[in-house]
Amino acid sequence: QQQVKQSPQSLIVQKGGISIINCAYENTAFDYFPWYQQFPGKGPALLIAIRPDVSEKKEGRFTISFNKSAKQFSLHIMDSQPGDSATYFCAASRNTGNQFYFGTGTSLTVIP
Amino acid sequence: ETGVTQTPRHLVMGMTNKKSLKCEQHLGHNAMYWYKQSAKKPLELMFVYNFKEQTENNSVPSRFSPECPNSSHLFLHLHTLQPEDSALYLCASSQAAGVGEKLFFGSGTQLSVL
Repeated sequence: QQQVKQSPQSLIVQKGGISIINCAYENTAFDYFPWYQQFPGKGPALLIAIRPDVSEKKEGRFTISFNKSAKQFSLHIMDSQPGDSATYFCAASRNTGNQFYFGTGTSLTVIP
Repeated sequence: ETGVTQTPRHLVMGMTNKKSLKCEQHLGHNAMYWYKQSAKKPLELMFVYNFKEQTENNSVPSRFSPECPNSSHLFLHLHTLQPEDSALYLCASSQAAGVGEKLFFGSGTQLSVL
C-alpha cells in the first residue's frame, strides 16, 4: 500500500507561472513532510520541509501548504523558471523509526 | 571532495555476476542508507545503518547484501541478480537516523541486469 500519493505525474508550466504539486497521506502518525528536488543524473536534494504544527512554510519562491484535517500537503513554486525543471518528490515520516515514505515523483518542465 | 560519493556511476552485469556498489560520505554523518529508485515508483528504502549498526532491512532479498565497515563507508554487494533489479541505487546519509533528519543523497549507481 502506497503511504504517500503524489500528483500530477508530470507538469508543464510557462516561465513565470505557478507550479503546484499535491500529496496526500493516510497515516496520522506522520509528523514531518519534506520535499526533494532531483535533477537528471543527480540524487534528490532536500528543498523544503514542514511539520504539522504550521499550515504554511515559505522559502523564497517555494511554499509548502499543509492541511492537517485533509491529510494533504502541496508544493507551490512561484514565478517558475526553466532552471526549476526537475523531478519533485514529496515524503512523510513518523515520530519513530527511520523510514521516509516517498511519493512517486512529479516531472516538472518549465518552458521559456 | 564533499558530500556523498557513489561508485560506479553505471554498472551492467549478468545474472551470474557478483559486483559491489560503494558509497562514501564526507559529511561526518552517523547514519547511512540504501534506496532503490525505479521509474514511476516511490523511492524504496532498502537498508539503514546507524552508527555502523544495521537498524532497518525492508524485506530485501538476500541477493543484496549490505556492509558498513565504518560511519563513512557503505557497500552493497550484489549476486545472482534478476532483470527486475535494474534500477538506480541511491546512497544517502544523515546526521543520525531519526525523524526530521535531512537526507543527503549521492548521484546513484544506474544498474542494468542482463
